[in-house]
Amino acid sequence: NAGVTQTPKFQVLKTGQSMTLQCAQDMNHEYMSWYRQDPGMGLRLIHYSVGAGITDQGEVPNGYNVSRSTTEDFPLRLLSAAPSQTSVYFCASSRETGTGDTGELFFGEGSRLTVL
Amino acid sequence: EDQVTQSPEALRLQEGESSSLNCSYTVSGLRGLFWYRQDPGKGPEFLFTLYSAGEEKEKERLKATLTKKESFLHITAPKPEDSATYLCAVQERWGEQFYFGTGTSLTVIP
Repeated sequence: NAGVTQTPKFQVLKTGQSMTLQCAQDMNHEYMSWYRQDPGMGLRLIHYSVGAGITDQGEVPNGYNVSRSTTEDFPLRLLSAAPSQTSVYFCASSRETGTGDTGELFFGEGSRLTVL
Repeated sequence: EDQVTQSPEALRLQEGESSSLNCSYTVSGLRGLFWYRQDPGKGPEFLFTLYSAGEEKEKERLKATLTKKESFLHITAPKPEDSATYLCAVQERWGEQFYFGTGTSLTVIP
């Protein structure tokens, strides 16, 4: 069981370039999300989705775009990379949304992005 | 305004020296509180979920407890392999987002 798979693991971009971080999960989870992790800042939510066709903004959405065309995939697009987007990005999924019993987040291994 | 605050930021223990990590939260209604372990270069790994005040959960040398305002992660007789960053997160009753603290970096010295 692969769980949450993120690609690429490492990426170096120049300022202004665009790219897509891929995330796929095989647990049939409805909830998927993207976080960035920076030293001293903890995990901050970028965007999340509660199901195919539904996305919403988190705490730090500017400069990022997402879509959710299938239950399995939740790609994160950087539209025009900036040095401030240098970070480690984590994709996470959970089985539950709504008012029911919540489920824990399952995380991928992370994608380390450097913007020069 | 921080919803989740963890303390201490860093903790160094001798092997076998028990201690506790703290996670305080300020959400209006708690749907769940989560503890994670994160090793360097890895994604967070789930440890526990706590739902209501008074609840406790244990796993090997770890025990998590919950009150109405905070949670503790007790580490009994830690070993060097327990060295990691421990993250706390909460989910509000009427929301879908998870709010994370900045973590406690634990180092256990042989």
